[in-house]
Amino acid sequence: GAVVSQHPSWVICKSGTSVKIECRSLDFQATTMFWYRQFPKQSLMLMATSNEGSKATYEQGVEKDKFLINHASLTLSTLTVTSAHPEDSSFYICSARGEVGSTEAFFGQGTRLTVV
Amino acid sequence: DAKTTQPTSMDCAEGRAANLPCNHSTISGNEYVYWYRQIHSQGPQYIIHGLKNNETNEMASLIITEDRKSSTLILPHATLRDTAVYYCIVRVGDSGYALNFGKGTSLLVTP
Repeated sequence: GAVVSQHPSWVICKSGTSVKIECRSLDFQATTMFWYRQFPKQSLMLMATSNEGSKATYEQGVEKDKFLINHASLTLSTLTVTSAHPEDSSFYICSARGEVGSTEAFFGQGTRLTVV
Repeated sequence: DAKTTQPTSMDCAEGRAANLPCNHSTISGNEYVYWYRQIHSQGPQYIIHGLKNNETNEMASLIITEDRKSSTLILPHATLRDTAVYYCIVRVGDSGYALNFGKGTSLLVTP
């Protein structure tokens, strides 16, 4: 199957700083990427949908000014957590959808963010 | 997307078949049944999907009832590495929308 690479796998940052997470589709062009967040012992919750070349669509309750998403190319989307706080500590996962007609979704390995 | 119901947790002995059920009584005619799994601290992994016929691949088999209101994912010879949370998701196949993850079934494979 197609490969989605997410970087970094884990990051620890100080409260008030910003962290950028990258999501790359390695062997296919992803017109749409999705960002999820997962708290311990909970399921994945969709944060936003990112379409190449346009603004991301955020789910209700997700602050767009805090979670900046950029999808400047067909193989790269980034999520920047700005002014991170301990409550932002979570497991962040990206997913990419392939070309039109693709019925599978491919997921990155996830990024464990710890804000101290 | 149709709502799905799965048991919260299941146990299976290593080497035995793991049968994971999923109810989706409100499924529409154009909705597929997808299965993904998430091993601890990893991203979800696609397993299999089907519309109405039974499907098999190198990972698992998917059995869908004739009325399509329920399905069963079968891992024929479970190993310890199959310990994970298994998600049954019903959706239109070529939808551009994100997958909607429920709580899934936590499968524990024991030695």
